[in-house]
Amino acid sequence: GENVEQHPSTLSVQEGDSAVIKCTYSDSASNYFPWYKQELGKGPQLIIDIRSNVGEKKDQRIAVTLNKTAKHFSLHITETQPEDSAVYFCAASIDEPGANNLFFGTGTRLTVIP
Amino acid sequence: DADVTQTPRNRITKTGKRIMLECSQTKGHDRMYWYRQDPGLGLRLIYYSFDVKDINKGEISDGYSVSRQAQAKFSLSLESAIPNQTALYFCATSIDRVGGTQYFGPGTRLLVL
Repeated sequence: GENVEQHPSTLSVQEGDSAVIKCTYSDSASNYFPWYKQELGKGPQLIIDIRSNVGEKKDQRIAVTLNKTAKHFSLHITETQPEDSAVYFCAASIDEPGANNLFFGTGTRLTVIP
Repeated sequence: DADVTQTPRNRITKTGKRIMLECSQTKGHDRMYWYRQDPGLGLRLIYYSFDVKDINKGEISDGYSVSRQAQAKFSLSLESAIPNQTALYFCATSIDRVGGTQYFGPGTRLLVL
């Protein structure tokens, strides 16, 4: 089955700096890579996703990059703000009819220091 | 997300007890999932259901069972709870098509003494 590794497990940055979280996956058939943000006491919420037919996707201050050859993808958060503090999870799946089960990384706890 | 609700939100039980965690959704999604979250291990899939008549085991189904009572309801049971089932449990839903985002409920925190 798919194995997703995520690094670092904790990350502290000063407000306004950038944060980068990296994930690798093992199954070359995986083609869908979502990122989830989990705030304290809440369930994970999708913040951005990318498919294997593109290399980069941006949404305001967040961006995700994908390198299919190396089987890794990264989340980039620019101009970090205290409300970005949360646990972030990457995931991978084979997104096709009858499938799309997600395999999650182990999470990164991001702390943005005011 | 209020569209996916879980009850109870917190539960303390004793070893050997049977308990049920419930999930309801108003999104009209066909697919529902149960995950378990442990510190340092991320989320792991316990069971998933593509529709009322289709239930499948996930990565860590031993010690758990599920029931899909209706499109909107998916329950997780621990037949005889044990301490290492202490965890945070999440229900999720998605539409049945390529690119279906999974939407998570708020979670149930379970402590087995």
